[in-house]
Amino acid sequence: EVQVLDSGGGLVEPGRSLRLSCRASGFTFDDYAVSWFRQSPEKGLEWLGFMTSKASGGTTEYAASVKGRFTILRDDSKSIAHLQMGSLKTEDTGLYYCTRGHTVIAYWGQGTLVTVSS
Amino acid sequence: EIVLTQSPGTLSLSPGERATLSCRASQSVSSSLTWYQQKPGQAPRLLIYGASTRATGIPDRFSGSGSGTDFTLAISRLEPEDFAVYYCQQYGTSPRTFGQGTKVEMK
Repeated sequence: EVQVLDSGGGLVEPGRSLRLSCRASGFTFDDYAVSWFRQSPEKGLEWLGFMTSKASGGTTEYAASVKGRFTILRDDSKSIAHLQMGSLKTEDTGLYYCTRGHTVIAYWGQGTLVTVSS
Repeated sequence: EIVLTQSPGTLSLSPGERATLSCRASQSVSSSLTWYQQKPGQAPRLLIYGASTRATGIPDRFSGSGSGTDFTLAISRLEPEDFAVYYCQQYGTSPRTFGQGTKVEMK
């Protein structure tokens, strides 16, 4: 069974950093891109970025709102991906989802809540 | 950035009725459009991709149509479990973008 499990959320002060994790199982992680999304009442569902598989070049793309502050990392040997978030702002508050793929997204994590507040 | 506009914002219907949801793109996305269903406390669930292809396990009462800039999700006969929020999303270009959602509520 395909599973994607997000973790690492929490309360963090503005300007600080936080690293989210995404553990995958039930499929060959190396073969797939990883995408991150977030959801908040203010902005709705928002795409943050993706990293393709290494076989596809390990290409990354990011939303303008997070480019230069957020970085997607992957460790295929452990079937895990990370979203490294820096210079956090209050508007980064939301429920963060890791997903399999970067076009048609059929598998989503359960979400991990990030609250940026002083 | 491609803006997706969904209408109506809320649809009040009874079980057994037909629901028709619209998604309009600010520029062509060809057929690179998905529809998701989301219930409270749950992640989005893929219903339709490629504008008209049902995802695995999705009942045939759900159907998608359209291409270019105008898309429709139809639910032929609403079941109690279909009352939820529905989102369209385009994946043809970056940034990927979502519509603001249509809530299908029980009348």
